[in-house]
Amino acid sequence: KAGVTQTPRYLIKTRGQQVTLSCSPISGHRSVSWYQQTPGQGLQFLFEYFSETQRNKGNFPGRFSGRQFSNSRSEMNVSTLELGDSALYLCASSLEGGSRGGYTFGSGTRLTVV
Amino acid sequence: TQLLEQSPQFLSIQEGENLTVYCNSSSVFSSLQWYRQEPGEGPVLLVTVVTGGEVKKLKRLTFQFGDARKDSSLHITAAQPGDTGLYLCAGFGGTSYGKLTFGQGTILTVHP
Repeated sequence: KAGVTQTPRYLIKTRGQQVTLSCSPISGHRSVSWYQQTPGQGLQFLFEYFSETQRNKGNFPGRFSGRQFSNSRSEMNVSTLELGDSALYLCASSLEGGSRGGYTFGSGTRLTVV
Repeated sequence: TQLLEQSPQFLSIQEGENLTVYCNSSSVFSSLQWYRQEPGEGPVLLVTVVTGGEVKKLKRLTFQFGDARKDSSLHITAAQPGDTGLYLCAGFGGTSYGKLTFGQGTILTVHP
């Protein structure tokens, strides 16, 4: 079966711009989580969506937002980009977002803010 | 705030050697997962352990979950160059939907 697809793979944006990243989960998976990975902070949880509802949110400013569509595809948006937003953004899909579920990650979107 | 301390941060060994990576926390986790990540790719799930004291073996990899569900270890026997990569432990706490708390990772390099 197809894996988790993230688009685009690479992005270069200018400070102050906004960006939208897309994630298509594995068919049948209803939970999509987003993570930011940087060399200094490692992988940090952004938020999780299940059946179009945000169920959980990490400690990121309001510039980071997301949504999920009825087909479980998810998007995250970052507004007013800062240099520190440069990172690998990963999404993970699972059946229900629970403790026993296997989480399948996409290959990520590498965002560079200049 | 739940934290996972992973050690060592870096590990450079020769092919055929054994190694252990540790993951420790003061918090209890419902489950503990181990991932391996290659450069430019997302983490790939290796195993999920859910019961305190649980031991799982996958070929040359042995995973253990502490009795109190606060710590875990990954042991690799007879490491091979193909084992090179970033190893991450990740804990799932309570009803925190979709949220994995990751350790900082261990960069393993196995030299031929």
